[in-house]
Parts: sequence; C-alpha cells; structure tokens
Amino acid sequence: GIQVEQSPPDLILQEGANSTLRCNFSDSVNNLQWFHQNPWGQLINLFYIPSGTKQNGRLSATTVATERYSLLYISSSQTTDSGVYFCAVGSYNTDKLIFGTGTRLQVFP
Amino acid sequence: GAGVSQSPRYKVAKRGQDVALRCDPISGHVSLFWYQQALGQGPEFLTYFQNEAQLDKSGLPSDRFFAERPEGSVSTLKIQRTQQEDSAVYLCASSLGLAGAYNEQFFGPGTRLTVL
Repeated sequence: GIQVEQSPPDLILQEGANSTLRCNFSDSVNNLQWFHQNPWGQLINLFYIPSGTKQNGRLSATTVATERYSLLYISSSQTTDSGVYFCAVGSYNTDKLIFGTGTRLQVFP
Repeated sequence: GAGVSQSPRYKVAKRGQDVALRCDPISGHVSLFWYQQALGQGPEFLTYFQNEAQLDKSGLPSDRFFAERPEGSVSTLKIQRTQQEDSAVYLCASSLGLAGAYNEQFFGPGTRLTVL
C-alpha cells in the first residue's frame, strides 16, 4: 500500500514565524487532504489538494503529484495554530485515507 | 449545516463488555468511513460503506469488531468483549462519494474509548 511520510515530526515556533510542513507519498493519489487536529482531537479540514496550489488566509498548500509530495505553508503563525498537522492520501483503487504520522506544531507567544 | 456527529463522546468500559458507537454523517453523504486513532498516532482505516453496503472491512482488527449502516445513513460500530488494546479514539468520516473533489472526507469529533 501507499506509504506517507511527514516531516518534521516536531516544530516549535515563536508567534509570527513562518513554517513549511512536508508530506511525501509513495504512489499516485486521487485524494490528498491536509488536516489540523486541535488539542480537543477534532480533525479540521484545511485543504483538499491532490494537485496544484491553494491558499486560504495565512495557509497555503502545494501538491506536485508527479514528484509525489505536498507542502503546507503557515505564515505569521499564531498560538491557535498549535496542534498536530496530518497529511492523508487516497489512491485510485481504494476510497480510504492513509494518514502520515503527523507534524506536532507548538507556537509560543 | 451540521457536520458529522458521534456519540457518545467518551465511553469507559470494563474489559469484556460490549460497546456500540454511533455516527451520524453529513446529510446526503453516500460514503461513510470508520477510523481508529491510537494515542500519538495518525488515524487508521477500519471500514467503509457506500450507502448501506459495506465495501471494505479490511481494517477491522478482529472479528470482535462489527459495523453496520442498515439504512444508508446512521452507522454503528460495535466492539464485543472489549480488550485493553481496544482503547483508542474512534473517528467517523463521510463524503459525498463522487469523483473528484466530492470525495473529500469530513470527520466527526470522535469517541474516546477507554477499556479498564
């Protein structure tokens, strides 16, 4: 099955800093989603982005499907950005999502 | 509109008890998924329904786990004779179930199961 790797595993930032999170995957995908899991455990949809570039406020994401990676950019980070960021992918022969191990982000004031 | 809801939010069971976890998907969503998330890990797939049909149950860890969606809407995940290793957060997700952007999955808040 598809392997999903995320880096870095942990990230500590001061408020206002920018960061880039990476997701590598091992095969072609027809679904790629970025989630933020808040401290209460809720998975919040950030982007549906199997290819291309999208932006939503301070967040943006780019997926280069031919090179099998995706990047999540967080600009001007805030303490409320703290939590775990997951990348999850789905392949053409299955509808399930396969999650990476996540990047734990801590933003300090 | 309403998102995916799950109940109960927390469940404590004694080892050997049976438990039932409920998921209400987003109205009109054809596809429904169950995932299990152990502490410090990413969610892992358990099973998938398209309407009332269970199309993939390859992730269910043992025959003590059973899921149903009899009318193609609400789903129940049942765990029989719970064991300590079943302690985890159980997440439900739904999607429109169509091609392209319509297969984006939306998650509920989860049920945290603790088996003593």
